[in-house]
Amino acid sequence: DTEVTQTPKHLVMGMTNKKSLKCEQHMGHRAMYWYKQKAKKPPELMFVYSYEKLSINESVPSRFSPECPNSSLLNLHLHALQPEDSALYLCASSQKGDSEKLFFGSGTQLSVL
Amino acid sequence: GEDVEQSLFLSVREGDSSVINCTYTDSSSTYLYWYKQEPGAGLQLLTYIFSNMDMKQDQRLTVLLNKKDKHLSLRIADTQTGDSAIYFCAEGGNKLVFGAGTILRVKS
Repeated sequence: DTEVTQTPKHLVMGMTNKKSLKCEQHMGHRAMYWYKQKAKKPPELMFVYSYEKLSINESVPSRFSPECPNSSLLNLHLHALQPEDSALYLCASSQKGDSEKLFFGSGTQLSVL
Repeated sequence: GEDVEQSLFLSVREGDSSVINCTYTDSSSTYLYWYKQEPGAGLQLLTYIFSNMDMKQDQRLTVLLNKKDKHLSLRIADTQTGDSAIYFCAEGGNKLVFGAGTILRVKS
């Protein structure tokens, strides 16, 4: 199984809503990542979890809250988002937390109204 | 800081070869990568090259690395319409740095 699975595929939310994005991998990887990608731009790193500990936070606003319940699961909790947060949110995993050979999920397309 | 640059657009005819070029600045990267992204999808790790290699071939894909000039290229032989996508070059240590992406359009 070389897949990273993300749910939901699409999400529309209002600025006062609370929602969560979920990501799962069963490759035995010990690092998981959240990236944000705007249309026609490269992905931008948000967070890295290595061995279930947050190792990198790229100065992401606190309205985005990551959680790593175990080495296979990664969540991104969303609260009070802004319309400019609308983007494709990509989860990725790698064997170690050094960004070597990242495997990406297909993403959650988020629209904030 | 680290920087990765790519040409933005390439158009080829079906059956021709495509060459996508990339330049980077960080010479300490262990690997350099090519990712493919189709519309509405995530990034697929297409191929990668170890930094002490000059060339890697994988079926229709050939990666060339010129460390002296910090230049990476991806050649796709016999390009097919299914190869139409955005191709990202990436390098880096514990944080990947992506290029802006090259849109490959394949005309039938």
